[in-house]
Amino acid sequence: QVQLVQSGAEVKKPGASVKVSCKASGYSFSSYGLCWVRQAPGQGLEWMGWISAYNGDTNYAQKFQGRVTMTTDTSTTTAYMELRSLTSDDTAVYFCARVGGGGGMPGLDVWGQGTTVTVSS
Amino acid sequence: QSVLTQPPSVSGAPGQRVTISCTGSSSNIGAGYDVHWYQHLPGTAPKLLISGNSNRPSGVPDRFSGSKSGTSASLAITGLQAEDEADYYCQSYDGSLSGRVFGGGTKLTVL
Repeated sequence: QVQLVQSGAEVKKPGASVKVSCKASGYSFSSYGLCWVRQAPGQGLEWMGWISAYNGDTNYAQKFQGRVTMTTDTSTTTAYMELRSLTSDDTAVYFCARVGGGGGMPGLDVWGQGTTVTVSS
Repeated sequence: QSVLTQPPSVSGAPGQRVTISCTGSSSNIGAGYDVHWYQHLPGTAPKLLISGNSNRPSGVPDRFSGSKSGTSASLAITGLQAEDEADYYCQSYDGSLSGRVFGGGTKLTVL
């Protein structure tokens, strides 16, 4: 079945970086884009950016530009999201999600289980 | 402050009908970009409930329906069930921001 499986929880100190992985299976990896979405404690969902698994093109939310890098490895059908210069405000659950097929701006039809990132000194 | 505005909470008794609004602007919903709706239970992954304004993915009950008009969209849930208690988010694309945007989320309580 189609699924996205993310890496485990992380605890980081302020100023550090974190890299979360998202392993895709059950579909043609290169045929779909992926988004990263986070949810801070008590807050709503926040879109972080998008990456094409076909050619690696990216589009980051303005808030994260310069601090986030999204990549994919087609040989292992895995996507990665690295966030640098972490602060306590980056404490959140991070999700990867597949962009559905079709034209326009499709919805996010398959989601990973989420990775908890805690930033604490 | 979210680009798309949703009511923080709605409630209804079992069997009733509730609607959740999602208000945007001329740079997102009003520009013709599709609206999608997600159901999110705490501790789980969000689930795509409505795609492309009004389309239900396979497996989503027909009690859930979506519509869009002008700069707003709505999610309607009929025949409320206890299992519908969750957070609901609308999502679209904003041309001015050049990125996807979410509403602030609405907590549905089944009384």
